[in-house]
Amino acid sequence: SQKIEQNSEALNIQEGKTATLTCNYTNYSPAYLQWYRQDPGRGPVFLLLIRENEKEKRKERLKVTFDTTLKQSLFHITASQPADSATYLCALTTSGTYKYIFGTGTRLKVLA
Amino acid sequence: DAMVIQNPRYQVTQFGKPVTLSCSQTLNHNVMYWYQQKSSQAPKLLFHYYDKDFNNEADTPDNFQSRRPNTSFCFLDIRSPGLGDAAMYLCATSKGGGTGNQDTQYFGPGTRLTVL
Repeated sequence: SQKIEQNSEALNIQEGKTATLTCNYTNYSPAYLQWYRQDPGRGPVFLLLIRENEKEKRKERLKVTFDTTLKQSLFHITASQPADSATYLCALTTSGTYKYIFGTGTRLKVLA
Repeated sequence: DAMVIQNPRYQVTQFGKPVTLSCSQTLNHNVMYWYQQKSSQAPKLLFHYYDKDFNNEADTPDNFQSRRPNTSFCFLDIRSPGLGDAAMYLCATSKGGGTGNQDTQYFGPGTRLTVL
């Protein structure tokens, strides 16, 4: 069956360090992968999108990689700040559809 | 500012008492989605509309219904809420088109449903 896996355990890192979050998927051939940020009690907010033919995307302190051979995406936050503390969700979709399947998210806590 | 609005933010209902959650958007997007999210779980797609075309997920219980009277509004009706339906309900929109950026989803703040 199709599965999207993100680290269920919270990730704690020191302020200023780079946070790396992982999204693995099985039995799925996504055309697009997105990362969202979700704060407690709020809806997810879009951060970055990467296409299957792209290896890497950057936006300010954020970087996403997409390895369709490993079936994995990595999400990096450089120079992390306490304000980056949130849950980060990855979401996949295939070409020709606008339905996304979400992972459970990884909770990130940046310690001052 | 263009946005997705959900009302109410918090809804308390009794077991078996019908409840309606509402969503409106000022983005003029073609697609509107309803998700259910329980604590520490992934948002689960219940159904979506592309314009007036309704698309139900195979595992969405019949207890959940939806209406989209116009482009701007979409409603989620829970006909007979059970204790297991207590969750955050998220409405989202996207332009539609299956071409990456057009499918970025814009979420509302959610409605937290409590079933007593």
